[in-house]
Amino acid sequence: KAGVTQTPRYLIKTRGQQVTLSCSPISGHRSVSWYQQTPGQGLQFLFEYFSETQRNKGNFPGRFSGRQFSNSRSEMNVSTLELGDSALYLCASSLRQMNTEAFFGQGTRLTVV
Amino acid sequence: GESVGLHLPTLSVQEGDNSIINCAYSNSASDYFIWYKQESGKGPQFIIDIRSNMDKRQGQRVTVLLNKTVKHLSLQIAATQPGDSAVYFCAETPSNSGYALNFGKGTSLLVTP
Repeated sequence: KAGVTQTPRYLIKTRGQQVTLSCSPISGHRSVSWYQQTPGQGLQFLFEYFSETQRNKGNFPGRFSGRQFSNSRSEMNVSTLELGDSALYLCASSLRQMNTEAFFGQGTRLTVV
Repeated sequence: GESVGLHLPTLSVQEGDNSIINCAYSNSASDYFIWYKQESGKGPQFIIDIRSNMDKRQGQRVTVLLNKTVKHLSLQIAATQPGDSAVYFCAETPSNSGYALNFGKGTSLLVTP
């Protein structure tokens, strides 16, 4: 059974640009969450999608957005990139909402220069 | 504010010894408390969870203890192995904010031969 796949693995962008990250959840999983991981702030929740609807959102500015498609694949977008957006972005999928066992991908390492 | 935090950033143990990783939390309303393990270059991996109405739960070589009186969570790893070397995160699911994992900062466990 394939795990959570995130693409691309690495990305370098310039300040002011926008970026789109992709996440393919485990087959059959309908809940997809996104997290930002930095050395200073640790793992922080961005948002969660279930059945194509955003169910919960973390404390991030509106520059961070996402969506989920009918096949449960998800994308997150960050517009007007700032240096502080440099981080590892992790996607996690779960069979159901409110499931404590989330399966994480390897993440996308975003560097903003 | 409400948060989940860890007592020690780094823990070094000898192979074969038992490890204890501690975590303090402040949100008494959390439904579940969870431990995740993150190896270098990988996303976090679920270890074990405990519901807020329980005091102890055992898994394979791991035990999680929850002390609600002092808002303390611990992960005990029996007969620690080199493969246990990783960063360990405690997390909670805040019951009042939908589905999200609120992670602590992490403890780095180093197993020495």
